[in-house]
Amino acid sequence: GDSVTQMEGPVTLSEEAFLTINCTYTATGYPSLFWYVQYPGEGLQLLLKATKADDKGSNKGFEATYRKETTSFHLEKGSVQVSDSAVYFCALRDNYGQNFVFGPGTRLSVLP
Amino acid sequence: GAVVSQHPSWVICKSGTSVKIECRSLDFQATTMFWYRQFPKQSLMLMATSNEGSKATYEQGVEKDKFLINHASLTLSTLTVTSAHPEDSSFYICSAGGGQNTFGSGTRLTVV
Repeated sequence: GDSVTQMEGPVTLSEEAFLTINCTYTATGYPSLFWYVQYPGEGLQLLLKATKADDKGSNKGFEATYRKETTSFHLEKGSVQVSDSAVYFCALRDNYGQNFVFGPGTRLSVLP
Repeated sequence: GAVVSQHPSWVICKSGTSVKIECRSLDFQATTMFWYRQFPKQSLMLMATSNEGSKATYEQGVEKDKFLINHASLTLSTLTVTSAHPEDSSFYICSAGGGQNTFGSGTRLTVV
């Protein structure tokens, strides 16, 4: 079945550092790929998405590119802020709009 | 964009009682709603898929008699945790199918 693998956390960075959270996936067909963010005590918020190969999703300084050849969707941000501290989930969904398959999540802590 | 309203956001109940969680699609019709469960510091796992007007489909290992799902209308799906026990304490969250990317805000259930 479909699956998503993310780099293990927690990740601790200083403010203004560069962030990369790796995500790779296994899926049949051509899924849509997502990054969701979960702030402490809250639900999931869609951060960005990409629906086809070579698409780049971006939002709030974060970006990720759908790489079909490497089955990856790595999340990057050039300069993190303390307010970016949260858990980040990589996820996929098949093109029939069915349920999401989530990675294990990566906890990010940004120190001032 | 599409909004899924989930209530309550948190609930504490005694062992043996039942708790109902509601998810409403506010500005669209959701023929399918997915229910996920998230244990502390873990990822989200699909529990079941509810379809308007028909029986829910449960993932392997999820007790259908314990987690009752009702999807009586195109805008409302409910999850009832029956005879709750402390091990049912978790974060429950719903998302609408049909290509929507929106999740409810989640319900944190604590069974004491």
